[in-house]
Amino acid sequence: DAGITQSPRHKVTETGTPVTLRCHQTENHRYMYWYRQDPGHGLRLIHYSYGVKDTDKGEVSDGYSVSRSKTEDFLLTLESATSSQTSVYFCAISEEAGEETQYFGPGTRLLVL
Amino acid sequence: RKEVEQDPGPFNVPEGATVAFNCTYSNSASQSFFWYRQDCRKEPKLLMSVYSSGNEDGRFTAQLNRASQYISLLIRDSKLSDSATYLCVVSDQYEGFKTIFGAGTRLFVKA
Repeated sequence: DAGITQSPRHKVTETGTPVTLRCHQTENHRYMYWYRQDPGHGLRLIHYSYGVKDTDKGEVSDGYSVSRSKTEDFLLTLESATSSQTSVYFCAISEEAGEETQYFGPGTRLLVL
Repeated sequence: RKEVEQDPGPFNVPEGATVAFNCTYSNSASQSFFWYRQDCRKEPKLLMSVYSSGNEDGRFTAQLNRASQYISLLIRDSKLSDSATYLCVVSDQYEGFKTIFGAGTRLFVKA
């Protein structure tokens, strides 16, 4: 299995509070991604990174920001959590974009009350 | 219309059965195609890539029909351990960066 960890694995928070999720990889892959997964929607891309300090928006980026200061770490921040951000968040990595397989972390279950 | 559409199922089949899933995609410029498997409360994992000529991996066969823009996955001799959700994934590396995941098809294999 690819070396990807996510922290925390579970979190309960209140509306309006900031939340940061961390993704850490040991594979030295260039691309890193944050997805959310909700029933009936499949995985939707929030943000992705194609290198240190190089990030771009995905399909559902509103309300989220990201940072990548090191190859191995990709942080997802909810500046002010809302109940609509209750979801399962997956981090993924790949060597290249598009054609290459994406390897997923174990996921973070976030509940915003 | 969703960019990648799958029948959500669930498909309930007995052990030993053959089951087929289809997936349609809307972007004719899509370049790469995959099937992922996701167990309950786990992360998705690559099952197999899908090539234009079709490809087989043991009991699993994947087919691509570019003209009709659909992808299929055939599972022969179903096992209990095949119970999972199967995600169809379509990627277009030329349109900026775009990988689209289908919502998945649930499969239950029963003894």
